[in-house]
Amino acid sequence: AQKVTQAQTEISVVEKEDVTLDCVYETRDTTYYLFWYKQPPSGELVFLIRRNSFDEQNEISGRYSWNFQKSTSSFNFTITASQVVDSAVYFCALSVGTSYGKLTFGQGTILTVHP
Amino acid sequence: EAQVTQNPRYLITVTGKKLTVTCSQNMNHEYMSWYRQDPGLGLRQIYYSMNVEVTDKGDVPEGYKVSRKEKRNFPLILESPSPNQTSLYFCASSLLLSSYEQYFGPGTRLTVT
Repeated sequence: AQKVTQAQTEISVVEKEDVTLDCVYETRDTTYYLFWYKQPPSGELVFLIRRNSFDEQNEISGRYSWNFQKSTSSFNFTITASQVVDSAVYFCALSVGTSYGKLTFGQGTILTVHP
Repeated sequence: EAQVTQNPRYLITVTGKKLTVTCSQNMNHEYMSWYRQDPGLGLRQIYYSMNVEVTDKGDVPEGYKVSRKEKRNFPLILESPSPNQTSLYFCASSLLLSSYEQYFGPGTRLTVT
């Protein structure tokens, strides 16, 4: 069975601070995919990134970066110079090669960025 | 525009009154699923379908039914809703590949009193 743990329930920062959201996953499959989604106050789910288990390269997209480490089964997400618009719930999710389209989600981290 | 639509977006109902939440996608995706989102639990899969007439239970199927008579539609049916089914529901679709991005609908907020 698959499991995703986001230990940080809520994080509060002041604008321009850097913030890292932790994600730890469990799976016995060797082929798997990791995702991050953002859920702003409006409620929709916004896809941020997908990573496969064979690619441990870190990724940067503007102020967002992701650190994938198979050795610690972690896929952490860092926002640099946070902004109020980054306030949202962030979900980490996992799918495995045998599960076709199913996503196993973490509990979510509520990020609040104060001006 | 590629999209997943859900209706209604908001629904308040009473215990025991049957309801259906519709879901439709225009991307010709084989895979469709329903999730519910509850505070502190993230999203959990209710049911999924890998193609027309092929459906199966997810992690929390009790109290729900689904059908897949057409590829584009995947309605969620609550035959006798109860207050513990008060939740935010998302429909999603994708190609039949675990690597593929899931497209999510806008969500349906259901309250059962």
